[in-house]
Amino acid sequence: NAGVTQTPKFRILKIGQSMTLQCTQDMNHNYMYWYRQDPGMGLKLIYYSVGAGITDKGEVPNGYNVSRSTTEDFPLRLELAAPSQTSVYFCASSWTGQTQYFGPGTRLLVL
Amino acid sequence: TQLLEQSPQFLSIQEGENLTVYCNSSSVFSSLQWYRQEPGEGPVLLVTVVTGGEVKKLKRLTFQFGDARKDSSLHITAAQPGDTGLYLCAGDSGGSNYKLTFGKGTLLTVNP
Repeated sequence: NAGVTQTPKFRILKIGQSMTLQCTQDMNHNYMYWYRQDPGMGLKLIYYSVGAGITDKGEVPNGYNVSRSTTEDFPLRLELAAPSQTSVYFCASSWTGQTQYFGPGTRLLVL
Repeated sequence: TQLLEQSPQFLSIQEGENLTVYCNSSSVFSSLQWYRQEPGEGPVLLVTVVTGGEVKKLKRLTFQFGDARKDSSLHITAAQPGDTGLYLCAGDSGGSNYKLTFGKGTLLTVNP
């Protein structure tokens, strides 16, 4: 099993550009999450999903969108990149909603 | 809003020393988890504690959940350079809430 995979590993965006961060899990987990991690600020929840077709906002959803058309995939969309979105983004999945398995992260720099 | 405060924020020690890091909240959690995150990687679960007063040991790491289920501690005996990393605690408020609340973490550096 690959677990949780994320692509790309690193990306530089210009202000106003759009991109999609990909997340795939092969553990058949219902729950999936997107977090951002800023230096010294821990993990903040952006969006989460409890199953295919069901998504909900987390703590910091502004500027982001998600979709969940399959159990395996949970892409995160940035429509108009801003410098404040410079961060490390982690995708996670869970069977119970409790223990979460994290991907390796995507490092995003918006200039 | 539930908050988890971790202390200290930074800790730098020599190999062989013992240390304790703390995770505190004013809220009650149905369970609490500890993760370790190494540079450039995602967090990895170390342990989950569920019962108030519970103590779990993982080799040189000892985890304790407070009696009131509002706080937790992680004690490392004879720290090694391989213990270096960011230690995050995360609380689960239970029920139908499938989300975890994360603390900001303790960044531990163990020098050889």
